[in-house]
This record gives sequence, C-alpha cells and structure tokens, in this order.
Amino acid sequence: NAGVTQTPKFQVLKTGQSMTLQCAQDMNHEYMSWYRQDPGMGLRLIHYSVGAGITDQGEVPNGYNVSRSTTEDFPLRLLSAAPSQTSVYFCASSYESRGTEQYFGPGTRLTVT
Amino acid sequence: GESVGLHLPTLSVQEGDNSIINCAYSNSASDYFIWYKQESGKGPQFIIDIRSNMDKRQGQRVTVLLNKTVKHLSLQIAATQPGDSAVYFCAENSGGFQKLVFGTGTRLLVSP
Repeated sequence: NAGVTQTPKFQVLKTGQSMTLQCAQDMNHEYMSWYRQDPGMGLRLIHYSVGAGITDQGEVPNGYNVSRSTTEDFPLRLLSAAPSQTSVYFCASSYESRGTEQYFGPGTRLTVT
Repeated sequence: GESVGLHLPTLSVQEGDNSIINCAYSNSASDYFIWYKQESGKGPQFIIDIRSNMDKRQGQRVTVLLNKTVKHLSLQIAATQPGDSAVYFCAENSGGFQKLVFGTGTRLLVSP
C-alpha cells in the first residue's frame, strides 16, 4: 500500500490564483481530513469527510473547498489564494471516525506571494 | 524542509538517556489522546495512543501517562536514540469526527 499520497509537494501561487491540492489513499478508509500547519502552531483542521459525498467544516475552513466523489480521493481547493494561506498542508485518513489512528500524507508546502 | 517554526520548546538529551515530553490538554471531556512524531519535511507519524479510561499505556520503548486530574499527558522514551530526534505532538479528541486538537509540539534533540 502507498498509504496517503499528496501532490504537489511544493507550490508557489500568486495572490488571487486558484489551485487544487490532491490527496489519495489506498487503505479503503472512509474518513479523510485536511489540516494546515503553521509555524509555532499545531495542526488545525480545515475540512473533513466521513465518506464519499459527505463533507463538513473543521476549525479553519474559510477560503477552502472540498469534495469527496470517491472513497480514495479528497482534493482541497483554494478558491482565491491569499498570503495568509501560506502553510504546509497535510491530508489524513482513518479507518474509524474517532478514537483511532490517523495516517498522514507527506504534506504540500504552499507559498502565496 | 522544516515542518514547524523556530520557537518550539526543545528537549536536548544524550543518546541512551530516557526522555520525557510533557503536554497539557485543554478539555476535561477529551477521551482519547495520541502522540505523534514528526520528522523534518514529513507528515506526523503515530506513536502511541491512550483512552481516558486508562492512566498508562506502554509500547515499544515508549510509555504514555495520562493524569486526568491535572489534564496532563506525558510521553516517555526509553534509551533515546539519534533517530528519535523530531518534533513530538500530543493531540486530544474531545468529540465528534476526529476533531483532534493538536498541541504546538516539543522538539527533541538527541546527541550521540
């Protein structure tokens, strides 16, 4: 199994541009989530999904959209990039909704200029 | 690639020492806790977890202690090795879907 994969690994955007961060998992996990990690702060939940077709907001959802058309994929869209969205983004998946280990991808480092 | 900022609390130990990393959690209703290890440029990696009905759990070279009275969690690493050098995060799950709240992390530096 490849586990959780994310692309791209690095990305530079100009303010106002849009892009999609890709996330895929091959463990048949129902539950997937997106976090951002900023210096001096822990990971913060952006959006999550409890299964195909079902998504919900986390702690910091503004400026991001998600969709979950398949069990495997959970892309994160930045609608109009802002410098405040400069961060490292991690996708995670888990077998159960809570109380179990989350598997994290390697991250995408995004810089918005 | 550095995964976290420069102002993390840092614990420096010698190879072979035992390390203790502490974490204070915020929500007395939290019932599940996880420790993650994050190496530079990588995603967090699960180390060990504990549920609130336990006060101690042991893994391979690691032990997690939970003190619900003072809302405190600790991670003990026995015979610390240079490969243990990383940032360690605790996370609490206080309800709902994997609504993990992460601490800011502690950087562990192990000298040979």
